[in-house]
Amino acid sequence: EVQLVQSGAEVKKPGESLKISCQASGYTFTSYWIAWVRQMPGKGLEWMGFVYPADSDTRYSPSFQGQVTISADKSINTAYLQWSSLKASDTAMYYCARQSVAGPRADYWGQGAQVTVSS
Amino acid sequence: SYVLTQPPSVSVAPGQTARITCGGNDIGSRRVHWYQQKPGQAPVLVVYDDSDRPSGISERFSGSNSGNTASLTISRVEAGDEGDYYCQVWDTSCDWVFGGGTKLTVL
Repeated sequence: EVQLVQSGAEVKKPGESLKISCQASGYTFTSYWIAWVRQMPGKGLEWMGFVYPADSDTRYSPSFQGQVTISADKSINTAYLQWSSLKASDTAMYYCARQSVAGPRADYWGQGAQVTVSS
Repeated sequence: SYVLTQPPSVSVAPGQTARITCGGNDIGSRRVHWYQQKPGQAPVLVVYDDSDRPSGISERFSGSNSGNTASLTISRVEAGDEGDYYCQVWDTSCDWVFGGGTKLTVL
């Protein structure tokens, strides 16, 4: 069974750093792109970027380029999303999702990780 | 960048048919995917490639795509179908592009 299990909720202060994770199981981790998707409170879904765990190739949405870093560690089947300096506007739910090999769509999603940034 | 436009809300009585639209310039030339998101849950793919259903998704969910409008149709609507629905396409400038979402209310 394919599973994407994300790390837990985080409460941080502005300016702090953060790295959240998405651990995959039930399939060959290195064969699929992993996406990160942001959902701000009461808002819609926004694609942030991808990582391809086999070679750590990344693609970013222009809206998020330079704002976050996406990475993966294939030795432990885990993808990451990190910030070097959080802002209050980073408060959101963050989902990881697997891109289907058959086309550019998400076929499995993590349960989401709530990030709250507040002074 | 490519823009997808969805109505903010759709309301339907139980047992009736709900139709949720997704507008975009020449969207008929793209493959459209639809996700259902129930409150407090992660999204779930319900239709892909315009009209195909993933394994385990009810046949009450169907899709179509032509011209400048794609549609998700839910027949014999049930209370459990309430939630937000998002369309999504692939675009060269931004890979995954999502519509703004439509809240389905079952009256």
